[in-house]
Amino acid sequence: NAGVTQTPKFRVLKTGQSMTLLCAQDMNHEYMYWYRQDPGMGLRLIHYSVGEGTTAKGEVPDGYNVSRLKKQNFLLGLESAAPSQTSVYFCASSWNLYEQYFGPGTRLTVT
Amino acid sequence: ILNVEQSPQSLHVQEGDSTNFTCSFPSSNFYALHWYRWETAKSPEALFVMTLNGDEKKKGRISATLNTKEGYSYLYIKGSQPEDSATYLCAFNSNSGYALNFGKGTSLLVTP
Repeated sequence: NAGVTQTPKFRVLKTGQSMTLLCAQDMNHEYMYWYRQDPGMGLRLIHYSVGEGTTAKGEVPDGYNVSRLKKQNFLLGLESAAPSQTSVYFCASSWNLYEQYFGPGTRLTVT
Repeated sequence: ILNVEQSPQSLHVQEGDSTNFTCSFPSSNFYALHWYRWETAKSPEALFVMTLNGDEKKKGRISATLNTKEGYSYLYIKGSQPEDSATYLCAFNSNSGYALNFGKGTSLLVTP
């Protein structure tokens, strides 16, 4: 099993550009999550999904959209990137409300 | 947003020292308390999930306790080794939501 994978690993965007981050898991988990991690801050939840076709807002959802069209994939979109969205993005999945399995992270820089 | 506080923010110990960190969380609507270990350039990995007041979990030299009535958990490392160097994250979820609320972590450095 690959576990949780994230694509891409690194990306540099210019202000105003758009992009989509892909998270994929092969553990048949129902729940999936997108977090961002910034210096001096803990992991902050952006959006999450409790099943295929469902999404919900987390702590810091503004400027992001998500979709969960397939159970194994959770996409995070930035429609118009801003420098404040420079961060490391982590995806996670879980089969219940307990242990979450994290992906390797995507380092995004917006200039 | 549920506040999860961790202390200390960072810790530097010598190899062989035992150490402990604290996580405090809201004591109402408790569902579960998680500890994660996060090494530099890697992903967070789950250490423990605790759900019952008085729970104690152990994995090798690392153990954790839980007090849901007063809203705190301790993580202990006995005989620290350089490979224990990492950030230790505490996370809490309440029974009213799916989200995990993370603390900012305790960064541990163990030097030989």
